[in-house]
Amino acid sequence: DGGITQSPKYLFRKEGQNVTLSCEQNLNHDAMYWYRQDPGQGLRLIYYSQIVNDFQKGDIAEGYSVSREKKESFPLTVTSAQKNPTAFYLCASSTYQGDTQYFGPGTRLTVL
Amino acid sequence: AQSVAQPEDQVNVAEGNPLTVKCTYSVSGNPYLFWYVQYPNRGLQFLLKYITGDNLVKGSYGFEAEFNKSQTSFHLKKPSALVSDSALYFCAVRPYNFNKFYFGSGTKLNVKP
Repeated sequence: DGGITQSPKYLFRKEGQNVTLSCEQNLNHDAMYWYRQDPGQGLRLIYYSQIVNDFQKGDIAEGYSVSREKKESFPLTVTSAQKNPTAFYLCASSTYQGDTQYFGPGTRLTVL
Repeated sequence: AQSVAQPEDQVNVAEGNPLTVKCTYSVSGNPYLFWYVQYPNRGLQFLLKYITGDNLVKGSYGFEAEFNKSQTSFHLKKPSALVSDSALYFCAVRPYNFNKFYFGSGTKLNVKP
């Protein structure tokens, strides 16, 4: 988990509310990623960014939005359009060459 | 299409016995291959990787993995399992020419005393 921080660790949201999950890295990595993990499931890619001010949709981008204004930060917004947002969210980063991907500790989002 | 398969949802092994967690992949070109471990409510921790070279790769905590190009497999192994190895293990693949990672569905390893 070293070098990548995610906050908060636990987040509760009412239906219809947007929430933003924070991801910060001090590894000087160019690429950053957001994944969603459901119980007993693998990782599904939401969005990824190779460089500042650029990002691409992953496999399940609907209902989510991101920004990449700074190299070290890649916040994820879960919008009210996301039908089933309760999940464990993982942020990761890698060098531009993608030699290894490193993960943050995760944020568990629960919709009440 | 790129894909990674971990055919076993769960592997049970007795402490002290060898363990194997299987992974096969379908990726174009020469891929980069990775193994990660996840403990409950934690992020993924990097264990080892194969980029090129020797087919047997050694990693953290006594784990190793064997790359088999003809079988497109990258099985994780450990000669003697510990109870503390019990966790969720993920295999991942990255195409050599594209910075996107593909993950398997995970295998839960249970090591019993």
